[in-house]
Amino acid sequence: DAGVTQSPTHLIKTRGQQVTLRCSPISGHKSVSWYQQVLGQGPQFIFQYYEKEERGRGNFPDRFSARQFPNYSSELNVNALLLGDSALYLCASSLVLGWGETQYFGPGTRLLVL
Amino acid sequence: DAKTTQPNSMESNEEEPVHLPCNHSTISGTDYIHWYRQLPSQGPEYVIHGLTSNVNNRMASLAIAEDRKSSTLILHRATLRDAAVYYCILELAGNQFYFGTGTSLTVIP
Repeated sequence: DAGVTQSPTHLIKTRGQQVTLRCSPISGHKSVSWYQQVLGQGPQFIFQYYEKEERGRGNFPDRFSARQFPNYSSELNVNALLLGDSALYLCASSLVLGWGETQYFGPGTRLLVL
Repeated sequence: DAKTTQPNSMESNEEEPVHLPCNHSTISGTDYIHWYRQLPSQGPEYVIHGLTSNVNNRMASLAIAEDRKSSTLILHRATLRDAAVYYCILELAGNQFYFGTGTSLTVIP
């Protein structure tokens, strides 16, 4: 079975632009979460979606938004990019939403903002 | 706020046990403890998780202190493939992971 897939793998944008990152969860998984990992740090929780509804949001500005589609894939959008948005963006999926569920991470999209 | 505290780096000799510590003094009763590891240019990989009792799986063991304010990941026989950054994570709500800064493990042949 395919794992979590993310596209694109790498992306270069300039300040002020907008970006859309995509994630396909493992088949049958209904929960998708997004994380931002700045170089040298641990991943930070951005969003959580389950059954197409937002179920959790981390401490990120409104420039960050996301959605989940009927096939459970997800997009993360970031508007008005800042240099500090340069990071590895990770998507993780789990079978259901619940305590103690294992999350499976994709390889990430590396975003560079110039 | 750092919810977990880990040493920045540790070294181990190959085929010897490794004990990776983590402090999570603000943990509450329903917070699960997860451990993941990450290789360069890859996403984090699941290692083990637990709530109150010690846990064992084919990869590792997780020892949780009685007051749950600390835990230790135990790799029974380190191999070169175990060299990675190990993250101790608190799950503060269903599926919402809060990562620490991680411990970079070096395995010496």
